[in-house]
Amino acid sequence: DAGVIQSPRHEVTEMGQEVTLRCKPISGHDYLFWYRQTMMRGLELLIYFNNNVPIDDSGMPEDRFSAKMPNASFSTLKIQPSEPRDSAVYFCASTPRAGGGETQYFGPGTRLLVL
Amino acid sequence: GEDVEQSLFLSVREGDSSVINCTYTDSSSTYLYWYKQEPGAGLQLLTYIFSNMDMKQDQRLTVLLNKKDKHLSLRIADTQTGDSAIYFCAESMGGSSNTGKLIFGQGTTLQVKP
Repeated sequence: DAGVIQSPRHEVTEMGQEVTLRCKPISGHDYLFWYRQTMMRGLELLIYFNNNVPIDDSGMPEDRFSAKMPNASFSTLKIQPSEPRDSAVYFCASTPRAGGGETQYFGPGTRLLVL
Repeated sequence: GEDVEQSLFLSVREGDSSVINCTYTDSSSTYLYWYKQEPGAGLQLLTYIFSNMDMKQDQRLTVLLNKKDKHLSLRIADTQTGDSAIYFCAESMGGSSNTGKLIFGQGTTLQVKP
């Protein structure tokens, strides 16, 4: 398997623009997680899905952020409108199931810069 | 609420041992993990320990768990320059009703000087 795939790897946009980040989890993994990493706040869980259903979105910072998982092999994280303080690295991770010592497998991240 | 705390920075000389410490709050955590993040990359699992274990050794890595004090440590023997990275401690959430969710510490930057 190719691992968790994220696109784009880098995104530079202007304040006010819509940004869409994409993630393809590892095939067969039931859980998908979106994280944001910044120097100031470290690694934050934004939202996670189980079998394509959002389970916990309490980490989503504002209504400007939304996430979807239309099928088991694809998820998007959208920011509309984007702001400079959204600049961060956004990671997607997947895991096959809960428990049993199963780890989360992380994608390489999308580095977002909002000017 | 649940929280995981780590020191932010550790500097060692090549060949020395490194010890990275972590404290956590959720006593029902079933598994505790150590992840490594190299520059420009995502997090990769280094090792994990089940909560009923005190110690786990894997080549140069030794994990110690003190469940009473909710303290976890990662020892890297014979630290190499390639070990320079950010190390994250994480605990699993929910105990027996494991949700798959992890709580991560803020990460410890390990600097290895030649």
